[in-house]
Amino acid sequence: EDKVVQSPLSLVVHEGDTVTLNCSYEVTNFRSLLWYKQEKKAPTFLFMLTSSGIEKKSGRLSSILDKKELFSILNITATQTGDSAIYLCAVERVGWGQGNLIFGKGTKLSVKP
Amino acid sequence: DAGITQSPRHKVTETGTPVTLRCHQTENHRYMYWYRQDPGHGLRLIHYSYGVKDTDKGEVSDGYSVSRSKTEDFLLTLESATSSQTSVYFCAISELKYEQYFGPGTRLTVT
Repeated sequence: EDKVVQSPLSLVVHEGDTVTLNCSYEVTNFRSLLWYKQEKKAPTFLFMLTSSGIEKKSGRLSSILDKKELFSILNITATQTGDSAIYLCAVERVGWGQGNLIFGKGTKLSVKP
Repeated sequence: DAGITQSPRHKVTETGTPVTLRCHQTENHRYMYWYRQDPGHGLRLIHYSYGVKDTDKGEVSDGYSVSRSKTEDFLLTLESATSSQTSVYFCAISELKYEQYFGPGTRLTVT
């Protein structure tokens, strides 16, 4: 059965800390891995990763994919209270017969002032 | 935000009643999805559509049906609501090989 596992499930840090969120997967017909940020509303898109070893960056956030070891990490440097959210990892599979995205359960990040 | 709206945003209904949730997009994206989000389970796909009148089941489709008669609208129907269908429902849209964008969600409570 295809699955996506995120760790840790929750994390509390202080402003200025650097955090690393993990996402591992076991999925047939992998196409891409996506990261979303969810505050008290809809998930918002952060990154889509399709190739191993190529870092994607957006401000203080960055992410990389390892297709050999089947995992991805999301790094947030110099955290701010506005980074507090649930971070979702999802894997996209090839083939419509299987549906599309499988989501992990998320990592809840709390950034304290 | 991508042009996605959901209605209603909140609904309380009784067990056994039919419920229809609506997703409307202004992006002319081909693909539309319905997810439910529950504590401990994350987001799970209910049904999706890959074109007008073309739909397929997702991971948790039992008790749900969908219809898509126009590109912009994707309806999710609970034929006879049960308490286990109390959840937050998200609609999403995408084009093939591109990321999905999510609507604001509908909080449904079945009493």
